[in-house]
Amino acid sequence: ETGVTQSPTHLIKTRGQQVTLRCSSQSGHNTVSWYQQALGQGPQFIFQYYREEENGRGNFPPRFSGLQFPNYSSELNVNALELDDSALYLCASSLETGGPGANVLTFGAGSRLTVL
Amino acid sequence: GQSLEQPSEVTAVEGAIVQINCTYQTSGFYGLSWYQQHDGGAPTFLSYNALDGLEETGRFSSFLSRSDSYGYLLLQELQMKDSASYFCAVRGSGSARQLTFGSGTQLTVLP
Repeated sequence: ETGVTQSPTHLIKTRGQQVTLRCSSQSGHNTVSWYQQALGQGPQFIFQYYREEENGRGNFPPRFSGLQFPNYSSELNVNALELDDSALYLCASSLETGGPGANVLTFGAGSRLTVL
Repeated sequence: GQSLEQPSEVTAVEGAIVQINCTYQTSGFYGLSWYQQHDGGAPTFLSYNALDGLEETGRFSSFLSRSDSYGYLLLQELQMKDSASYFCAVRGSGSARQLTFGSGTQLTVLP
């Protein structure tokens, strides 16, 4: 059983650029969530995808957008990058979007984004 | 919305027992979870409580009191490899009933 894989692991962008981060969910998991984790802080919920539809969003502006594909993999896109977007971006998959299984997230190792 | 409070740092010696507390505020309640994250690593699931009481998983136990909006993670027989950040996370009635994480407790285990 494969876990959650994310790419790229590290990247550097400049302010105003756009970035796409990718995530392959764990086999059998149909729900993908994206989190932003600043240094020394807990993960902050960005949004969640289920059956290729966004079904929940945290307090992030519209320049944060995403996709989920039929194979449950996902992308996070961030436009007009700002310095404060520098963080670890974590993708997590779960077996279900509701019920006890929604409490058990399998995280990828993350994509470390630095915005200069 | 949801918010959680947990201590920022805890230090203990190898072989000891440590308790990491977590208090939360949430609209609706669908469970309190605990995750471990080593430096540079991914958060990994440790334990989950939906009902009051103690859940035991090996050296780790987690407790929940819904009436007090309180839970704790208990780590026994501490090992050096337990040095990590520990996050409590609550699932409430957010837009996706998503997990909301606390800021984390950095546990340092000393020899």
